[in-house]
Amino acid sequence: NAGVTQTPKFQVLKTGQSMTLQCAQDMNHNSMYWYRQDPGMGLRLIYYSASEGTTDKGEVPNGYNVSRLNKREFSLRLESAAPSQTSVYFCASSIKQVNSGNTIYFGEGSWLTVV
Amino acid sequence: GENVEQHPSTLSVQEGDSAVIKCTYSDSASNYFPWYKQELGKGPQLIIDIRSNVGEKKDQRIAVTLNKTAKHFSLHITETQPEDSAVYFCAAGRNTGNQFYFGTGTSLTVIP
Repeated sequence: NAGVTQTPKFQVLKTGQSMTLQCAQDMNHNSMYWYRQDPGMGLRLIYYSASEGTTDKGEVPNGYNVSRLNKREFSLRLESAAPSQTSVYFCASSIKQVNSGNTIYFGEGSWLTVV
Repeated sequence: GENVEQHPSTLSVQEGDSAVIKCTYSDSASNYFPWYKQELGKGPQLIIDIRSNVGEKKDQRIAVTLNKTAKHFSLHITETQPEDSAVYFCAAGRNTGNQFYFGTGTSLTVIP
C-alpha cells in the first residue's frame, strides 16, 4: 500500500518554463490537496479537490493550475515558473469518516527550484 | 480565514524530559486540531488529533490539550527520546471542511 505518491522528487526549472507535478493515491480517498512549504511559513494550501470533478482555490493559488484526472490522480501545473515558486510541494489526500471528519495523509514531497 | 500561531519555533530538551509546543487559533468555528510530525526529507505524518468536544487526548507518550475558550491547544511529549527529534506542526480547521491552516512549525531536538 503506497499511500500518496508524487513525482518528480526533485526538479530544477528555469524562469518561464512550465512543468506538472503528478500525484496519485491508492487509499480510495475522495479529497486531494496540493500544499507548498516554505521556511518559516508552515504549509499553505494551493488548491484542493473535494471530490472527483471538482477543484477549488486555497490560500495561495496564483501561478498554479490543477487537474483532478480521476479519483486517484491530482496534478499541479506551473505554466510559467517564477523564482517565488521555489518551494517544497506536498500532495495529500483525505476521506471524510463518519463521526471523525477529515484526516489528511501527505506524500513525501517534491523539491522544486526555479532559477 | 483562520490564523494559527505556533511557539516556540525551536526547542531543545534532554532525553527523558518533557516537551511542550503551543498553538493559538483565531476562528471560533474551527473544531478539529491535528498535530503532524515531519522528519527530514519526509512528508508530515499525523501523530494525534483532537476535536472540540473533548479537552484532552492521550496516546502513550503524546497528549494534546484544547482550551476552546482561550482558543489554544498544546502538544505534550513525555519521556522524550532521540527519535522524537523532528519538526512538529499544529493545524486548525473544521472537520467537515477541506481547508486546514497550519502553524509555522517547531523544530524539536532531543539531546541524548
